[in-house]
Amino acid sequence: GENVEQHPSTLSVQEGDSAVIKCTYSDSASNYFPWYKQELGKRPQLIIDIRSNVGEKKDQRIAVTLNKTAKHFSLHITETQPEDSAVYFCAAVGGGADGLTFGKGTHLIIQP
Amino acid sequence: DSGVTQTPKHLITATGQRVTLRCSPRSGDLSVYWYQQSLDQGLQFLIQYYNGEERAKGNILERFSAQQFPDLHSELNLSSLELGDSALYFCASSAVTSGRGGEQFFGPGTRLTVL
Repeated sequence: GENVEQHPSTLSVQEGDSAVIKCTYSDSASNYFPWYKQELGKRPQLIIDIRSNVGEKKDQRIAVTLNKTAKHFSLHITETQPEDSAVYFCAAVGGGADGLTFGKGTHLIIQP
Repeated sequence: DSGVTQTPKHLITATGQRVTLRCSPRSGDLSVYWYQQSLDQGLQFLIQYYNGEERAKGNILERFSAQQFPDLHSELNLSSLELGDSALYFCASSAVTSGRGGEQFFGPGTRLTVL
């Protein structure tokens, strides 16, 4: 089955700086890659997603890039703000399987 | 608010017992997914139902089962509970299967504590 690796596990950045979280996946048939943000005790919330026929997608301060050849995708957050502090999860799905396979999560800490 | 509802919010029970978690998907969504989140295992896919039929299985234990009813709500049944089953259980729904790029929207979760 699919395996998703996510790095780093913890990321601390100064407010206003950029943050990058990286994920790799194992199943070349995977075709959908969402990113979720989860605050403590709350539900995961979809923040951006990308499909395998697209290399990059941007939504205001958030962008995701996908390299199908290398089987990795990344989340980029620019001009970070205190409310960006949370745990971020990458996920992959496809190739006949419908459930999301999640990475282990990245705890993003925005330092004031 | 995602539109997905789950009950109960919290559940405390003893080892060996059986519990039922309930999920109502967003209006019009045909797919329901169940996930387990624990500190050691992270977020894990358990099972998916699509329009009343089981569609995909993940890391679901044999002690666990699920079903989706004609009104599309779903129930996850956990039996012979063990301490290690303590976790946050999420339900998610989508309009299409994610293999076709359907976004999954998560409910608020049910926190299960097994004592």
